[in-house]
Amino acid sequence: KQEVTQIPAALSVPEGENLVLNCSFTDSAIYNLQWFRQDPGKGLTSLLLIQSSQREQTSGRLNASLDKSSGRSTLYIAASQPGDSATYLCAASFTGGGNKLTFGTGTQLKVEL
Amino acid sequence: GAVVSQHPSWVICKSGTSVKIECRSLDFQATTMFWYRQFPKQSLMLMATSNEGSKATYEQGVEKDKFLINHASLTLSTLTVTSAHPEDSSFYICSAEAPGPTDTQYFGPGTRLTVL
Repeated sequence: KQEVTQIPAALSVPEGENLVLNCSFTDSAIYNLQWFRQDPGKGLTSLLLIQSSQREQTSGRLNASLDKSSGRSTLYIAASQPGDSATYLCAASFTGGGNKLTFGTGTQLKVEL
Repeated sequence: GAVVSQHPSWVICKSGTSVKIECRSLDFQATTMFWYRQFPKQSLMLMATSNEGSKATYEQGVEKDKFLINHASLTLSTLTVTSAHPEDSSFYICSAEAPGPTDTQYFGPGTRLTVL
């Protein structure tokens, strides 16, 4: 069974700190991996998408990496701000899965003043 | 950019009634749409894959007769929760697959269903 897990489940950091969110997946036959942000009671905002042939993607203060051999992806947030407070979800699609996304359990981030 | 809308954004209904949720891709055509369910404090779980012009493909454990999916056009998929019960109360989110090399899914804002 293809599973995606995220650690930690919750994280609280002071403003300005750099932080790393972790995502692991059980199947190395990954097609792509996405990181999303979800605010309370809201839908998903796509942050970064990494194709299986890529190792990382960057957008502003965000950098996501993908290591297929170890089954891991990380989302690095630089110089965190209170506005970054949200739940971050990673989701993977796997080869032969028809682009179905398997979501991780999420990391709830709080950036404090 | 690609935009996906959902209607309604929230709905409250009595137990035993049916509720229809619409998912629309506003500026692109989507042959494939997906329906997810999210319970409080949990992640998204895929319910079914909706294909334009054909029957939906349901994930294991999802009752196809209870959650009716109709992909009527390349821009519209509907999810009907039939004979809703309180345990069906959840956040329902759809996504639409945009054509292109990366098969990117764009997500709707979600629909909060509360069954009394």
